[in-house]
Amino acid sequence: QVQLQESGPGLVKPSQTLSLTCTVSGGSISSGDYYWSWIRQHPGKGLEWIGYIYYSGRTYYNPSLKSRLTISVATSTNQFSLNLSSVTAADTAVYYCARRVAALAMFDPWGQGTLVTVSS
Amino acid sequence: QSALTQPASVSGSPGQSITISCTGTSSDVGGYNYVSWYQQHPGKAPKLMIYGVSNRPSGVSNRFSGSKSGNTASLTISGLQAEDAGDYYCSSYTASGLVVFGGGTKLTVL
Repeated sequence: QVQLQESGPGLVKPSQTLSLTCTVSGGSISSGDYYWSWIRQHPGKGLEWIGYIYYSGRTYYNPSLKSRLTISVATSTNQFSLNLSSVTAADTAVYYCARRVAALAMFDPWGQGTLVTVSS
Repeated sequence: QSALTQPASVSGSPGQSITISCTGTSSDVGGYNYVSWYQQHPGKAPKLMIYGVSNRPSGVSNRFSGSKSGNTASLTISGLQAEDAGDYYCSSYTASGLVVFGGGTKLTVL
């Protein structure tokens, strides 16, 4: 059974880069059947799709974040990562990683989520 | 890309049925049969409840059903139970190859 786990700093200073890693266990990130995704949720708000990456490195980004966003994949360690630059308080959110089934555009499973606060 | 439109809240009594709508455009909901629904309880990660408009993953109660008409998808929960309370989100594949979520609906079981 595939499981995903986010890791990274819980506190980031404004203007710095937010970096998170998602470790995939119980399955290979190199499977061509999936995209590996980041989704965030601002406190008390709804879900916002950030972007996803295919094992080959092909990326798809939310246009509203594209200029600050980099998602990468490390097949050797079965991990994928999120880098969001020039963060502000508006980037404070719970960040989830999730597996997207390529053929169906559905997200399952999800990681437990990690709260990242942007504050000085 | 604009978020899909969901009602902010719905409510129902135990045993009743409720329906949550999710309205998009012909470039997302109306153009593809790739609408999914997620249930989220406070402090928890979302859980997939419906995919491909009307398909239930293994383990999801058959009280949950999905449908679509034009640019609007719907999630129906029949025989409402207390544990169904929470937030529900729809999502859809888009013509750009991306994904968009709805704003979420808070379900209250009275």
